[in-house]
Formats: sequence, structure tokens, C-alpha cells
Amino acid sequence: NAGVTQTPKFRILKIGQSMTLQCAQDMNHNYMYWYRQDPGMGLKLIYYSVGAGITDKGEVPNGYNVSRSTTEDFPLRLELAAPSQTSVYFCASRRQGGSPLHFGNGTRLTVT
Amino acid sequence: KQEVTQIPAALSVPEGENLVLNCSFTDSAIYNLQWFRQDPGKGLTSLLLIQSSQREQTSGRLNASLDKSSGRSTLYIAASQPGDSATYLCAVSLMEYGNKLVFGAGTILRVKS
Repeated sequence: NAGVTQTPKFRILKIGQSMTLQCAQDMNHNYMYWYRQDPGMGLKLIYYSVGAGITDKGEVPNGYNVSRSTTEDFPLRLELAAPSQTSVYFCASRRQGGSPLHFGNGTRLTVT
Repeated sequence: KQEVTQIPAALSVPEGENLVLNCSFTDSAIYNLQWFRQDPGKGLTSLLLIQSSQREQTSGRLNASLDKSSGRSTLYIAASQPGDSATYLCAVSLMEYGNKLVFGAGTILRVKS
């Protein structure tokens, strides 16, 4: 099992550019989450999904979009990148609400 | 709104010492609580998961307790080692749809050899 795989590991974007952060899990987990982590802060929830075809906004969804067409994949789309989106992005998954959460290794994004 | 606080923000101890990390949350209606470890530049690794009906969980030198009524959890690390140096985060799963996790800001632990 690869677990939760995130690509790319690093990316530098110019203001106004767009990109997609990829997340895939091979554990047949229903629940998937996208978090961002800023220095000295806890993780903030961007979007989450409880199954294929179902997505919902988290705490900080503005400037982002997601889709969940399959159980395995949960890409995060950034449109019109802004410096405030400079952060480390983590994807996580779990089988159900009471199960342990498994994290990917993160994508470090810089917007200049 | 659920808020999670971790104290202290940073801790430095000599090797071999037993230590306690604290986590508090404002709303006792939680599904479970999970402790994570994060090494610099890495993702989060799950250490212990305590369901809301449980009082504690143990794994090796780690013991986590949960007192839901008072909104507190502690992570006890016995006989600390330099390899335990990392950031430790706690997170609570909400009872509502999606069982979203709310994270504390973490405790940065340094174990000196």
C-alpha cells in the first residue's frame, strides 16, 4: 500500500496562475480532506468529501475548488493564485468518521 | 465553535525524562481525539486515537488519556529519547456530518542528548 500520495512536492506559482494539487489514496477510504498549514498555526480545513461525488466546504474554502469523481482521487484546484495561498497543503483520508486519519507528505506551495 | 489549545507551545527536556503534553478543547461533544507527530518538512503520523467512550490508549512508551467532561487530553511520553524530537499535534473529530477534525497548533518537543 502506498497510502496517501500527493503530487507535486514543491511548486512555485506566479500571482494569477492556476494549478491542481493531486491526491490519491489506495486504501479504499470514503472520507478525504484537504488542509493547509501555515507556520506556527494548526491545520485549517479547506474542503472535504465523504464519498465519490460528494464534496463540502471546510473552514477556509475561498480561492479553491475540489472534485471527487472516484473513491481514490481528490484533487484540489487553485484558481488565480494569490500570495495568501502560500502554504503547505496536506491531503488526508480515513475509512469512516471514527477511524484514524492518514496523511500524505504534503505539497509546499509558494505564490510570488 | 470548537477550539483546541495545546500547552506548552514548546518544550525542551533532557534525554530520559518523562514528560506530559496537554491538549484542551472547548466543546465536549466529540467523536474521538487523535494525537499526531510531525517531523520537519513531513506529513503527520498518527500516534494514538481515543474514541469518546474510552479513557486512555497506550502504544509503547506513549500513553494518551481523555477526560471528555473537562475537555482535556494528555499525551505522556516515558523515558524520552532524542528521536522523540518533533511537533506533536492533537485533533478532535466533531460529531457532525463529515466528522471534521479541528487541530491544535502543536507542541514543539526537543529532547537533548
